[in-house]
Amino acid sequence: EAEVAQSPRYKITEKSQAVAFWCDPISGHATLYWYRQILGQGPELLVQFQDESVVDDSQLPKDRFSAERLKGVDSTLKIQPAELGDSAMYLCASSRDRGVGELFFGEGSRLTVL
Amino acid sequence: AQTVTQSQPEMSVQEAETVTLSCTYDTSESDYYLFWYKQPPSRQMILVIRQEAYKQQNATENRFSVNFQKAAKSFSLKISDSQLGDAAMYFCAYRTRIQGAQKLVFGQGTRLTINP
Repeated sequence: EAEVAQSPRYKITEKSQAVAFWCDPISGHATLYWYRQILGQGPELLVQFQDESVVDDSQLPKDRFSAERLKGVDSTLKIQPAELGDSAMYLCASSRDRGVGELFFGEGSRLTVL
Repeated sequence: AQTVTQSQPEMSVQEAETVTLSCTYDTSESDYYLFWYKQPPSRQMILVIRQEAYKQQNATENRFSVNFQKAAKSFSLKISDSQLGDAAMYFCAYRTRIQGAQKLVFGQGTRLTINP
């Protein structure tokens, strides 16, 4: 069964360092999402891509976060510089068409900033 | 903006018993989707059940069913014959039907424990 792949599963970094997360959605899924889930809370959308275009990045802290999906397939989320408050689980999800269908989630990348 | 509220941070139930998780939401839209997602420890989030707002009939998936009260903006999840594998975080989520803005808005989650 196809799955959303994410790496790394765990990342520990010191504040002010750069960190990057990678996501490979299910093949053929046009819509890709990055969510941030702080411990004990529900996920919050950071950025949504339709193919290679950003359709919603209103909650992305653009001074330190960036995201790209250059060829409309896999995606990278970068944080530079990392801050203590960035410690969270970063979830990637994809859906087949314009978000109408079911979202499929990866296992997430857990970030700890020291 | 839409909001989703889960007022029960934690719930527990005896194995084989029935449990109901609560969810309320706020929206000015008349047509939308509602979901319950399950997030087991260290595993990915998976869809449990989905309800379309224009459908009056409550959705059912095997042991999982919902009580959708549109006027009250309430969407509870009932788990019958609880099993140990049902232990997880459960998230209620809302999605608009407006094209181009289909992000999921999640509640804070309810941690469900199953007691053997």
